[in-house]
Amino acid sequence: QKEVEQDPGPLSVPEGAIVSLNCTYSNSAFQYFMWYRQYSRKGPELLMYTYSSGNKEDGRFTAQVDKSSKYISLFIRDSQPSDSATYLCAIAGAGNMLTFGGGTRLMVKP
Amino acid sequence: DAGVTQSPTHLIKTRGQQVTLRCSPKSGHDTVSWYQQALGQGPQFIFQYYEEEERQRGNFPDRFSGHQFPNYSSELNVNALLLGDSALYLCASSRGLAGDTGELFFGEGSRLTVL
Repeated sequence: QKEVEQDPGPLSVPEGAIVSLNCTYSNSAFQYFMWYRQYSRKGPELLMYTYSSGNKEDGRFTAQVDKSSKYISLFIRDSQPSDSATYLCAIAGAGNMLTFGGGTRLMVKP
Repeated sequence: DAGVTQSPTHLIKTRGQQVTLRCSPKSGHDTVSWYQQALGQGPQFIFQYYEEEERQRGNFPDRFSGHQFPNYSSELNVNALLLGDSALYLCASSRGLAGDTGELFFGEGSRLTVL
């Protein structure tokens, strides 16, 4: 079993839709959970990070962590074509060593 | 403010050759990590350098080695290249080792093709 599992997609939605991206993880010791966005042929960029369980909101993006079920979610409201990218969830181990999921490719169609 | 810069952006090598990739961290950052991203997969941690020493290492063979210089820049060396080493190699920088916030800043990567 991989430490972080993520549905690879692709996920195709119309512009304006609410997008839900999800990951599961296996090691309950992790405390920091991140979402990175990666455009084609670019490096990942940090979207959001959350500590322990709970929600964190930043504009159209909401990150949610449920430690009891080891489930990480990212919601995107009013999705835009510019949101089309691969979304990577990650968990941070000691010293900022990140373990990534495989990424979900999102396509937002105008 | 320059972000993380990597060179070269693309390179092609043949099996058995050696390659060196370079990274300059974001201004103010002193810790450099290297990740390998195969096509269609998430990045995998190779190793991390801080104060010119390797601090953590992922599950990669000794063919993968690195170095950090006094100006915090870093190199990744891969010897005896295999076809499976074809990937995007990402450098990420952060400030210090304290904390596990995942606030890493990535470069755009060096795409290595091994023929």
